[in-house]
Amino acid sequence: DADVTQTPRNRITKTGKRIMLECSQTKGHDRMYWYRQDPGLGLRLIYYSFDVKDINKGEISDGYSVSRQAQAKFSLSLESAIPNQTALYFCATSDIPGQGITGELFFGEGSRLTVL
Amino acid sequence: DQQVKQNSPSLSVQEGRISILNCDYTNSMFDYFLWYKKYPAEGPTFLISISSIKDKNEDGRFTVFLNKSAKHLSLHIVPSQPGDSAVYFCAASRNTGNQFYFGTGTSLTVIP
Repeated sequence: DADVTQTPRNRITKTGKRIMLECSQTKGHDRMYWYRQDPGLGLRLIYYSFDVKDINKGEISDGYSVSRQAQAKFSLSLESAIPNQTALYFCATSDIPGQGITGELFFGEGSRLTVL
Repeated sequence: DQQVKQNSPSLSVQEGRISILNCDYTNSMFDYFLWYKKYPAEGPTFLISISSIKDKNEDGRFTVFLNKSAKHLSLHIVPSQPGDSAVYFCAASRNTGNQFYFGTGTSLTVIP
């Protein structure tokens, strides 16, 4: 089983609909992230959370919200989806760097969202 | 504003030869750099990293070089293999592991 699991893997929806993408991890990491990938733009950070009570905006948080329900769960919501939110979304986790831990990101397999 | 840039969207290399992927950054506060590899329909996977206190890190066929004065890093793959064909992203962060900034990716094709 994957250490970082995203659901759904694919979703097609219509403009104005509310969408939730869910992420769960078994790595025991405190830090979790949501990125989106667009052609020619690479990976851009939407939100990140360093523990259950900590939520931070990333580069492109407008139009998105998140919830950290538990250490292992971090969900991304689009309250009213629009076509330019069509993208590949990735959840990632990382350990806290230090004492030989480098803190690299571990990614899920991605959730492809299409907004019509 | 893109703080991490990969100016070559694609690269083709013959099997057995060296692949060199380049990355430039603008923020001099970045102190930790990573390379990720991504196959279609999969999430990116960590490949190799380097701290700003080093100028080279090697792991098997993969070597990352860091030139802080030029704000430039490169990934060398020697020898290149067809299984290396993927999109490669470089990433950078401040304070070793906080918010990561990614480049736009370079698609590497290794020709058998």
